[in-house]
Amino acid sequence: KNEVEQSPQNLTAQEGEFITINCSYSVGISALHWLQQHPGGGIVSLFMLSSGKKKHGRLIATINIQEKHSSLHITASHPRDSAVYICAVLNTGTASKLTFGTGTRLQVTL
Amino acid sequence: NAGVTQTPKFQVLKTGQSMTLQCAQDMNHEYMSWYRQDPGMGLRLIHYSVGAGITDQGEVPNGYNVSRSTTEDFPLRLLSAAPSQTSVYFCASSSRLAGYETYEQYFGPGTRLTVT
Repeated sequence: KNEVEQSPQNLTAQEGEFITINCSYSVGISALHWLQQHPGGGIVSLFMLSSGKKKHGRLIATINIQEKHSSLHITASHPRDSAVYICAVLNTGTASKLTFGTGTRLQVTL
Repeated sequence: NAGVTQTPKFQVLKTGQSMTLQCAQDMNHEYMSWYRQDPGMGLRLIHYSVGAGITDQGEVPNGYNVSRSTTEDFPLRLLSAAPSQTSVYFCASSSRLAGYETYEQYFGPGTRLTVT
């Protein structure tokens, strides 16, 4: 079993829909990252969380440390949100070593 | 700041050839890492460095060497390329955020390597 599990693996939505991507992990962590990767493109950090909730524009990320679960929400989705979203955790006690989920491929259509 | 830069963007090698993937950052970050990304798998750590002169192995180090002679540069060397090393390679750097026990991560644009 992977230390970091994401669901769903693939997601198709229509423009305007509310989207949720989930991440569960099985190890102790000091932080969790949500990353975005566009086709053929590099990887951009969207959020880094160690507790609670963060919001940036139409993106909201939450984390529940007790349940070892995080969610990424996209409100009023748009075709430009189409990308792969990756959850990564920074294991407790490691300097800067991330463990990654396999990603959720999101396609937003008109 | 240029952030994290990687060269080349694309490379094709024949089995047995050697080459070096370059990575540089201009943010004075102490931590640098190399990952490979393969279809259906999450990014996997190859090697990492916690400062100049200090490197360590990650999850999939076989067939790769690294060195960190300066804070800025962290090259990845493929000693004798194999088709199993066909992948997209990402370099990342990070630094501990002031007052936090966590690290902001910055990724390079990636190098797409094909070994035939």
